[in-house]
Amino acid sequence: EAQVTQNPRYLITVTGKKLTVTCSQNMNHEYMSWYRQDPGLGLRQIYYSMNVEVTDKGDVPEGYKVSRKEKRNFPLILESPSPNQTSLYFCASAIRTAYNSPLHFGNGTRLTVT
Amino acid sequence: AQTVTQSQPEMSVQEAETVTLSCTYDTSESDYYLFWYKQPPSRQMILVIRQEAYKQQNATENRFSVNFQKAAKSFSLKISDSQLGDAAMYFCAYRSAYTGANSKLTFGKGITLSVRP
Repeated sequence: EAQVTQNPRYLITVTGKKLTVTCSQNMNHEYMSWYRQDPGLGLRQIYYSMNVEVTDKGDVPEGYKVSRKEKRNFPLILESPSPNQTSLYFCASAIRTAYNSPLHFGNGTRLTVT
Repeated sequence: AQTVTQSQPEMSVQEAETVTLSCTYDTSESDYYLFWYKQPPSRQMILVIRQEAYKQQNATENRFSVNFQKAAKSFSLKISDSQLGDAAMYFCAYRSAYTGANSKLTFGKGITLSVRP
């Protein structure tokens, strides 16, 4: 089954404790991206990647890192989480050149930073 | 930069009735794509319908259809014969055809739709 898999689904952590949210897709998509969803703000892009070893900032990249060492994986790293990073996070992937093709989303990771 | 506006935070519809969710957007581009996504309580982001700006014909998918008014920059979603399973948050989203590397979706704030039995 074609899918984007995120882990974990829920994560509670404390300020300053490094964490990684994993994302993997099995559709051989070149393009992958991270979004955060906050009430009243919709979804906003954090980082994106066009292909292996190619990443770039989205609209709200502060406090986040990503890496793309393999085509299928695109982890999101919070090196020193803060309470304002409490949010719902989505990973998404797509065929790079097909702008009318939809983004395929993972099931989301609910992160709480205390 | 493009913006997407969903001005109604909540709407309610009686089961089997029709409801229209509004969305407007702002862009200086002529070629782009518009999407409606549904987010049920399970948090999944589910594509409902898509519209290509260069196509004048409004997209339809079973009970879902859009009213795309390019000049007015309006992209509303009509749900016919509403069902209890339609209750969810709905997001309108824009994607430029000119972003080169970034297939970014720009989302509206979302609207919560409830369906009354």
